[in-house]
Amino acid sequence: DTGVSQDPRHKITKRGQNVTFRCDPISEHNRLYWYRQTLGQGPEFLTYFQNEAQLEKSRLLSDRFSAERPKGSFSTLEIQRTEQGDSAMYLCASSPQGAVHEQYFGPGTRLTVT
Amino acid sequence: KQEVTQIPAALSVPEGENLVLNCSFTDSAIYNLQWFRQDPGKGLTSLLLIQSSQREQTSGRLNASLDKSSGRSTLYIAASQPGDSATYLCAVRRDSSYKLIFGSGTRLLVRP
Repeated sequence: DTGVSQDPRHKITKRGQNVTFRCDPISEHNRLYWYRQTLGQGPEFLTYFQNEAQLEKSRLLSDRFSAERPKGSFSTLEIQRTEQGDSAMYLCASSPQGAVHEQYFGPGTRLTVT
Repeated sequence: KQEVTQIPAALSVPEGENLVLNCSFTDSAIYNLQWFRQDPGKGLTSLLLIQSSQREQTSGRLNASLDKSSGRSTLYIAASQPGDSATYLCAVRRDSSYKLIFGSGTRLLVRP
C-alpha cells in the first residue's frame, strides 16, 4: 500500500494560465476528496467523489474549478485562468468503504500563482 | 453551520511534559472526529479517529477524548518529545455530509 499520491508536488504558474493536478487514491478506496489549505489555516473542503460520481461541491469551487474522476480511480483538479488568490496547498484524501470513513491524505500540491 | 475552534493556536513546552490540545465544535450532530498531524509544507497524517458513539481512543502516547454534548475533544500527548513538534489539526464530519470541517490547528514546539 503506497498511500495517496499527488502530482506535481509543486507548481508555479503565471496568472491567467490553466493548471491541472492529479491524485491517485489508496487502492480500492472508493471515496476521494479535494481540499485547499492556505498558510496558517486548516484545510477547506472543495469536492467529494464516490466512485466516479461527484456527490458534493463547496461554494469555494467556482466555475474556474473543475474536478473529475472518470473511472472511479484517479482524479484530476483543473483550475482555469488562475488568479493570485488560488495560491495554496491542494490536498487530496481518500477513504474506504465501510462505516468508519477515516480519511487518508496525500502530500499535497503547492500552487504558486505569480 | 459547523465551526471548529482549536485553542491554543501555539504552544511551546520543554521535552518530557504531558500536554493537552483542545478542540471545540458548535454542532453536536457529528459522525466522527479525527485528529491529524501536519509537518511544515507536508500533507496530513491521521493520528486518531473517534466515532460519535465513542468517548476516547488511544494510540501509543496519544489519547483523544470526545464529549459530544459539550462539543469538545482533547488530544493528550504524554511525555512529549522534540519529534512531536508539528501542527495538530482536529476535524469533524457531520452526520449529513462526508466532508471534514477543520480547525485552524495548534502549532506545537517541544524544546529539547
